[in-house]
Amino acid sequence: QKEVEQNSGPLSVPEGAIASLNCTYSDRGSQSFFWYRQYSGKSPELIMFIYSNGDKEDGRFTAQLNKASQYVSLLIRDSQPSDSATYLCAVNIDTGRRALTFGSGTRLQVQP
Amino acid sequence: EAGVAQSPRYKIIEKRQSVAFWCNPISGHATLYWYQQILGQGPKLLIQFQNNGVVDDSQLPKDRFSAERLKGVDSTLKIQPAKLEDSAVYLCASSLDQGSYGYTFGSGTRLTVV
Repeated sequence: QKEVEQNSGPLSVPEGAIASLNCTYSDRGSQSFFWYRQYSGKSPELIMFIYSNGDKEDGRFTAQLNKASQYVSLLIRDSQPSDSATYLCAVNIDTGRRALTFGSGTRLQVQP
Repeated sequence: EAGVAQSPRYKIIEKRQSVAFWCNPISGHATLYWYQQILGQGPKLLIQFQNNGVVDDSQLPKDRFSAERLKGVDSTLKIQPAKLEDSAVYLCASSLDQGSYGYTFGSGTRLTVV
């Protein structure tokens, strides 16, 4: 079982819609959760992080965490063509030591 | 603040040759990471440094890969000899602490082994 799993996509949504990206993780000891965006040919850039169960909002982005279900998601409201990218979920099992473990990413396509 | 600097940006070598990548982290960032990202996959950790000490190198293929971080600042990742399957983007990242708030990636080095 992979430590961090994501659907590879592509996930296609029309402009202005809500895009929902999902991620599951295997280790119940995981402490913190990150979403990175990666444009083609570019390096990953941090969008959001979340530590506690529930929702965390930042502009058009909302991260949702459910530790009991080992599930984290990213919602993008009012999707724009510029949001088209691969979204990487990353998990930190032990914030004191372990580096981030990344999923393989979900490719998002926002259709104009 | 200046970002994470990496060089070279691209490198093409023949199999069995050697290659080295360089990384300069954000000033003051104690933790430095090297990740390997194969096309279509997520980044995979190769090695993590805290200052100039190794924290985690469990996924580093030590028979061919080596890395060092002299004086707790710049770092070099070396591959010798390279194999075809080493073709990937090598990403360097740094963080102020051990990654509690995520970290910043450099632009990466795209390696092609032919």
